[in-house]
Amino acid sequence: AQRVTQPEKLLSVFKGAPVELKCNYSYSGSPELFWYVQYSRQRLQLLLRHISRESIKGFTADLNKGETSFHLKKPFAQEEDSAMYYCALRRGTGGGNKLTFGTGTQLKVEL
Amino acid sequence: GAGVSQSPRYKVAKRGQDVALRCDPISGHVSLFWYQQALGQGPEFLTYFQNEAQLDKSGLPSDRFFAERPEGSVSTLKIQRTQQEDSAVYLCASSLGPTNTEAFFGQGTRLTVV
Repeated sequence: AQRVTQPEKLLSVFKGAPVELKCNYSYSGSPELFWYVQYSRQRLQLLLRHISRESIKGFTADLNKGETSFHLKKPFAQEEDSAMYYCALRRGTGGGNKLTFGTGTQLKVEL
Repeated sequence: GAGVSQSPRYKVAKRGQDVALRCDPISGHVSLFWYQQALGQGPEFLTYFQNEAQLDKSGLPSDRFFAERPEGSVSTLKIQRTQQEDSAVYLCASSLGPTNTEAFFGQGTRLTVV
């Protein structure tokens, strides 16, 4: 069975400081990894997925299969980045469509 | 529509009551998912529909939980004889295709069992 671990429940950084939200996974096959974000009073929405290899709102994440990690990074935190972030895994092609989520990390960007 | 719509947004039920939660997916979306999110936890998968077919119900916690999508669009999640441990936010998501497409989430229904 697959599992996603986000070790930090809360991460507090100052505006302009670098951010790294940690995500580790366990899955024996080739997974798809995602980061979802939930801003205050808004619905859960996709931030980025590893296969697109793009930067969204200054965030990037690289899939490291050797370390089974998919950490989310941003060089300079902004106040509007404050939100709940969930790492999620989906089994690769042919393996089903459901997402397995981590427990989430609350990012708080302080002025 | 503008997105996935869920109703009601909030539901308070007395222990033992039956509840029905509704999900209106994005028009044309083939796949529909239900997730349960307990306080302080990430969403956990309950069940998956492809059109009207329920292809995966492995996440339903007990036989008190039942989901349907009879015409391949709107879905209802029913919980019979609610228990306190059923208190959670129930999220619905839909995606365009059967595999490897982005899932769009509704705002959820917060169920409180008292």
